[in-house]
Amino acid sequence: AQKITQTQPGMFVQEKEAVTLDCTYDTSDPSYGLFWYKQPSSGEMIFLIYQGSYDQQNATEGRYSLNFQKARKSANLVISASQLGDSAMYFCAMRVTGVGSGSARQLTFGSGTQLTVLP
Amino acid sequence: EPEVTQTPSHQVTQMGQEVILRCVPISNHLYFYWYRQILGQKVEFLVSFYNNEISEKSEIFDDQFSVERPDGSNFTLKIRSTKLEDSAMYFCASRARGGVITEAFFGQGTRLTVV
Repeated sequence: AQKITQTQPGMFVQEKEAVTLDCTYDTSDPSYGLFWYKQPSSGEMIFLIYQGSYDQQNATEGRYSLNFQKARKSANLVISASQLGDSAMYFCAMRVTGVGSGSARQLTFGSGTQLTVLP
Repeated sequence: EPEVTQTPSHQVTQMGQEVILRCVPISNHLYFYWYRQILGQKVEFLVSFYNNEISEKSEIFDDQFSVERPDGSNFTLKIRSTKLEDSAMYFCASRARGGVITEAFFGQGTRLTVV
């Protein structure tokens, strides 16, 4: 079974600084995708960025980048130049191919990190 | 920008009552999901739906739960006899295609409160 671990329940960062949110994963499946979602206090889940297990380069999307270290099984999210609007819960998630599972595989989520950006 | 739409945003129901949570996935998406998030906890998978049938379901998705895609646009989650522990945020999600790296887009959620 796959597992996602986020060890930082809460993080604080000063506005305009960069912050790294940790995520480690565990799976024996060689083919998987790693995703980060943002959940503001309003509750919706907003997709931020993804990384495929076979991707050679780290994913980037605007101020978000994913520091993918396959040997360490980590997929940390880096937010550069933090803004007050970045204050939210951040979830790391994974999808694996699985065996005989078809293509509708679900996401497995971590417990989340509550990020607070300080003015 | 296309989005997943869920209604209602908040529903309060009495224990033992049936509820139907509604979702309109992004059109031309093929894979549909329900997840739930009990307050302060992680997001948990309930069920996936593809080609007009359930593809996978978790152990949470017992006989009290059912899903339907009645008309090609709506995707519903029914809870037949709600329990207090069903109180949670329920998210619908959809994906355009299969594979591991296709992102899922989530709706804004329905907060279900069972009293």
